[in-house]
Amino acid sequence: QQPVQSPQAVILREGEDAVINCSSSKALYSVHWYRQKHGEAPVFLMILLKGGEQKGHDKISASFNEKKQQSSLYLTASQLSYSGTYFCGTESAGGTSYGKLTFGQGTILTVHP
Amino acid sequence: NAGVMQNPRHLVRRRGQEARLRCSPMKGHSHVYWYRQLPEEGLKFMVYLQKENIIDESGMPKERFSAEFPKEGPSILRIQQVVRGDSAAYFCASSVFPGQGYTEAFFGQGTRLTVV
Repeated sequence: QQPVQSPQAVILREGEDAVINCSSSKALYSVHWYRQKHGEAPVFLMILLKGGEQKGHDKISASFNEKKQQSSLYLTASQLSYSGTYFCGTESAGGTSYGKLTFGQGTILTVHP
Repeated sequence: NAGVMQNPRHLVRRRGQEARLRCSPMKGHSHVYWYRQLPEEGLKFMVYLQKENIIDESGMPKERFSAEFPKEGPSILRIQQVVRGDSAAYFCASSVFPGQGYTEAFFGQGTRLTVV
């Protein structure tokens, strides 16, 4: 089952904040976040492991609630370069196919000047 | 250090022809994943390979599609007798270790297949 991302789209002005959520119905081992600009490859942002770790990357950070099987991506003081489609990819607990990611449908983020 | 290299970037095939997509992983990476992305949609897992082994092909259509990752050379995704519905962007990703959160997967630029 595909994780569900919300919202589907966000429109911001430069400097505003946004939160993108990713929710799964399966037990997760890790969550991976990527950003993709139109016509380009997905670019890795960060991995979160089970254990509720919160990680940061410049003004982009994320959390992972293992019990709720949810992850959130936080973008603060957004810049024009943040525009793109954000995907969460989930790695399920158990099984043998580590590294196989199931991606959400994406959240389109548009930042205006 | 070159990233994941995919070629060709764009491929046009007539219905019924064969399409061959190539992926060279990052240096030192021995795990390759293929994903398909339809227009305006997310990435869908197709197949996971290590050198000379298919580990998980649960996302591959049963017919016409095959993948390999030989001991030498790039990974190849082959689509035989292409149909219009095969038109999509095909992305390859590679990683060092297969997961358990230890490492991230890096994506190539993708091959955009158009079937006419």
